[in-house]
Parts: sequence; C-alpha cells; structure tokens
Amino acid sequence: EAGVAQSPRYKIIEKRQSVAFWCNPISGHATLYWYQQILGQGPKLLIQFQNNGVVDDSQLPKDRFSAERLKGVDSTLKIQPAKLEDSAVYLCASSRTRLHEQYFGPGTRLTVT
Amino acid sequence: QQQVKQSPQSLIVQKGGIPIINCAYENTAFDYFPWYQQFPGKGPALLIAIRPDVSEKKEGRFTISFNKSAKQFSLHIMDSQPGDSATYFCAASQGGSEKLVFGKGTKLTVNP
Repeated sequence: EAGVAQSPRYKIIEKRQSVAFWCNPISGHATLYWYQQILGQGPKLLIQFQNNGVVDDSQLPKDRFSAERLKGVDSTLKIQPAKLEDSAVYLCASSRTRLHEQYFGPGTRLTVT
Repeated sequence: QQQVKQSPQSLIVQKGGIPIINCAYENTAFDYFPWYQQFPGKGPALLIAIRPDVSEKKEGRFTISFNKSAKQFSLHIMDSQPGDSATYFCAASQGGSEKLVFGKGTKLTVNP
C-alpha cells in the first residue's frame, strides 16, 4: 500500500510570495489533516477534512492560509502572502476514518527568506 | 490552551540502556495517548498508543506507562539500539485519534 505522498519536498520563497503544497492521501482514507511543524516543536494541526468537507480549521490563519480537498481525495494547502514565521515543515496525514490511526507523509520543508 | 508537556528535550543513552521519556497533560477529557517516532526527513510514525482504562501497554521493546491520577504517561524503550535514535513525540486527544495535541518532542541518541 502506497503511503501519503507530498510535493514538493523543499521550497524556498521570499516573504510576501505565495506557495502551494500538494498532498495525495492513502487510497480509501476519508480523513485528511494538514499540520505545521516548526523546528524543535511537535506538529500543530492546521486543518482537518472529512471527505471534501472541513471538520476543523480553528488553528488555520485564514487571512493567509487556505486549503481545499476537491473530490475528497487530493488536497492543496496555500499560503499567500508568506511571512518569515511560516518557515516550517508542512505535514499531511490521512486516516481511514476519524477514529483510525493517522499516517503521515514526509512533509514539505518551507523556508521563507 | 490544551497542552502536553514533554521531557526531557534530549536524551543520550548507551546501547542496551532503557531511555524513559515523560509527558504530562492537563485536559482530563483526553482519552487517547499515542507515541510517535520521527526520523530526519520523514513524517512521524505511530509507535504505540494507550487509552486510560489500562496502566501499561507493551509492544515489543516499547512500553507505555500511564498514571491517570497524576495525568502523566511515559515511554520506556527496553534494550535500546542505535537504530532507535530518532525524535519521539507524545500526543493526546479526546474522543479518538483525531485532533491530536503533540508534545515538543525528545531527541533520543543511542550510542553504539
């Protein structure tokens, strides 16, 4: 079974630019999560989808971050405009249902200069 | 703010030693306590998890000890190996495995 795929793996942008990350969850997994992991800290949940609907986006900075999961499969996370403090690893995870184990992808390391 | 406090921040042991990582939580409604292992350049992977109806759970060389009254839980790694060198995160959630709140992580180094 293929794992969670993410791209790109690395991205360097200047502040005020925009960036987008892509996630392909494990086939058949209804729940998808985006996390932000700042260096030296644990992952922090940004947004959770159940199929193509948002379950929880309470920690998503909505003035600059947006996410979508069209057709309940792939998902994209966008930052516009980026700030220096957005430098982090962005992790995507998926689970069969909201009650099952989360499987994480390798993450996208974003550096904002 | 729901928090999970993890200690120590880093830990160095010799091969065969038993590293212990501790976590404390505040929210008494938490009912799922997993531990994740993360290698450099990889995403976290579930190692072992416990629910508050048991005080201990073992899977291979990994053991979770849970103290509900103290609101604390810990990870023990028996007969540690250099391949166990990684960052370990504790986490907690309420009502299932979603909405995980993570600790800050412990970087474990097992010397040969």
